[in-house]
Amino acid sequence: LAKTTQPISMDSYEGQEVNITCSHNNIATNDYITWYQQFPSQGPRFIIQGYKTKVTNEVASLFIPADRKSSTLSLPRVSLSDTAVYYCLVATGNTPLVFGKGTRLSVIA
Amino acid sequence: DSGVTQTPKHLITATGQRVTLRCSPRSGDLSVYWYQQSLDQGLQFLIQYYNGEERAKGNILERFSAQQFPDLHSELNLSSLELGDSALYFCASSVDWTSGPRRTDTQYFGPGTRLTVL
Repeated sequence: LAKTTQPISMDSYEGQEVNITCSHNNIATNDYITWYQQFPSQGPRFIIQGYKTKVTNEVASLFIPADRKSSTLSLPRVSLSDTAVYYCLVATGNTPLVFGKGTRLSVIA
Repeated sequence: DSGVTQTPKHLITATGQRVTLRCSPRSGDLSVYWYQQSLDQGLQFLIQYYNGEERAKGNILERFSAQQFPDLHSELNLSSLELGDSALYFCASSVDWTSGPRRTDTQYFGPGTRLTVL
């Protein structure tokens, strides 16, 4: 399974756009990139998934360059409730997820 | 609400004891995954079942076992408990497409069971 690297923590003020970048240099051809969000003492929650270029949903955008060796999760205008740990994962098919340490995002008022 | 239910929510027990955690997947989901989250180890995959059969095994101790029943609910059995087994145990489920586009299915996580071993 591809290994991912992302910042341990990030701080942001409310209303700002937050970009969290993830490196996955050994991503395989069939791997998809998926981001999960986890609040304290809750199970992770799916945010967004993509294969290449750009994906957008009501919560976030995911930017994936042509070489797919990295990806950036973009959260527009964050609020205090976006304070959480964000995990970047790469996987193919229905394989178990391999979670790293994630990025702890703290949103400040 | 993810649609995945787990019981009990909290469990406090003593070392050497045995407990059973229960998970009901989302309606229609065939795959069930168990994960353990502790402060020092993070989220770790334990075991996966698909339609009643074991599909993948992760860092699951021999003292732990699981099964998936015909109605697709799953149970994780933890025996000879040690202090270090104290953790949050999450169950997740996914549809598990067997055909169609090759992609990663979204896993839906339950609220977890917090196990405290004293």
